[in-house]
Amino acid sequence: NAGVTQTPKFQVLKTGQSMTLQCAQDMNHNSMYWYRQDPGMGLRLIYYSASEGTTDKGEVPNGYNVSRLNKREFSLRLESAAPSQTSVYFCASDHRVMNTEAFFGQGTRLTVV
Amino acid sequence: AQSVTQLDSQVPVFEEAPVELRCNYSSSVSVYLFWYVQYPNQGLQLLLKYLSGSTLVKGINGFEAEFNKSQTSFHLRKPSVHISDTAEYFCAVSELTGGGNKLTFGTGTQLKVEL
Repeated sequence: NAGVTQTPKFQVLKTGQSMTLQCAQDMNHNSMYWYRQDPGMGLRLIYYSASEGTTDKGEVPNGYNVSRLNKREFSLRLESAAPSQTSVYFCASDHRVMNTEAFFGQGTRLTVV
Repeated sequence: AQSVTQLDSQVPVFEEAPVELRCNYSSSVSVYLFWYVQYPNQGLQLLLKYLSGSTLVKGINGFEAEFNKSQTSFHLRKPSVHISDTAEYFCAVSELTGGGNKLTFGTGTQLKVEL
């Protein structure tokens, strides 16, 4: 089982460039999430999608947009990257009701210069 | 709003010694509690979780945690650590709502096991 797959694994952007982080899960989960991890701050929720067709803001949504393309895929877009968005991004998914364990991808390490 | 506090940012310990990683939380409603482990350059892996029932929860790799509602704590313990336990450990809480299972994480505790 692949679980949660994130692409790319590494990316360097220049300030002002845009990019989309991709996430796909093959566990038939209803809910998907995007977190960012910064040193000394743990993981913070950016956006989430409780079910296909819905998205909501998390704790730190500014500068990001998301798309729940279908049940499997949940993308995170940076329209105009800033150095403050340098971070490691994790996608996660869970069944929301039947199993409250969240499964995480391997992360995308993004550097904005 | 919920929050999680992990007071110890780093915990050094010798191999085969016991260890306790502390976690306290605050929430106005009932919560689910989790411990995740992150090895270098990897994603997070669930160690154990408390949803309901027995307050002593056993997880993978010999770890266990005890839920204490009166002290709002969920400390992680292992009686004898191994060098391979060196990793970062995150405590997390969630309020299961119609809006999904959003996790709030602590800032993490780096466990360093030394020979």
